[in-house]
Amino acid sequence: DIQMTQSPASLSASLGETVTIECRASEDIYSNLAWYQQKPGNSPQLLIYDANSLADGVPSRFSGSGSGTQYSLKINSLQSEDVASYFCQQYNNYPWTFGGGTKLELK
Amino acid sequence: QVTLKESGPGMLQPSKTLSLTCSFSGFSLSTSGMVVSWIRQPSGKSLEWLAAIDWDGDKYYNPSLKSRLTVSKDTSNTQVFLKITSVDIADTATYYCARRRRGYSAHYWYFDFWGPGTMVTVSS
Repeated sequence: DIQMTQSPASLSASLGETVTIECRASEDIYSNLAWYQQKPGNSPQLLIYDANSLADGVPSRFSGSGSGTQYSLKINSLQSEDVASYFCQQYNNYPWTFGGGTKLELK
Repeated sequence: QVTLKESGPGMLQPSKTLSLTCSFSGFSLSTSGMVVSWIRQPSGKSLEWLAAIDWDGDKYYNPSLKSRLTVSKDTSNTQVFLKITSVDIADTATYYCARRRRGYSAHYWYFDFWGPGTMVTVSS
């Protein structure tokens, strides 16, 4: 199975700040990567697919980038509603696997 | 409007069989390219993809759990079921059903709609 390693595991940032979350795959996943946001008590919601395509209804302050084994999720101008956990998921190789998650809090 | 909702027993004893139901609306599993998956998440931990079934009745399982999993769908194509045999404490988690992006590509295996989840506790 492909291992997905996220960093950092937790992050504290201020309103208006820019935040970056990293995801590293154990082998090349050819940009077959999605990012999900999970607010406390809720189910995950799709943010990004194909490494850099924004899902429907997702604010433009979210963006994804990367290739090969290294990917990142960037949040510009952090808002209070962005407090959540974020997960990456690869869908290049079966079985589909998720990163360990990054918990984002407000400073 | 696409919605999914999971239901399950809440709590069950070790060694029993867990039966879960995913009821959905806003799409039909008879539509070509549709796939519904099961994914679980222990409290405070990450997500684990378990199984899926597609519009054609083809089934997909996580190899690590395959021997214990059975996924199926009803004839009206509005419900999907998951059975997990011989549960133990490690199966305690919130179980989600989610719709995969519709289509035929092998690289459409991400999930665009999720249910709210159903919490399952395995305890004696």
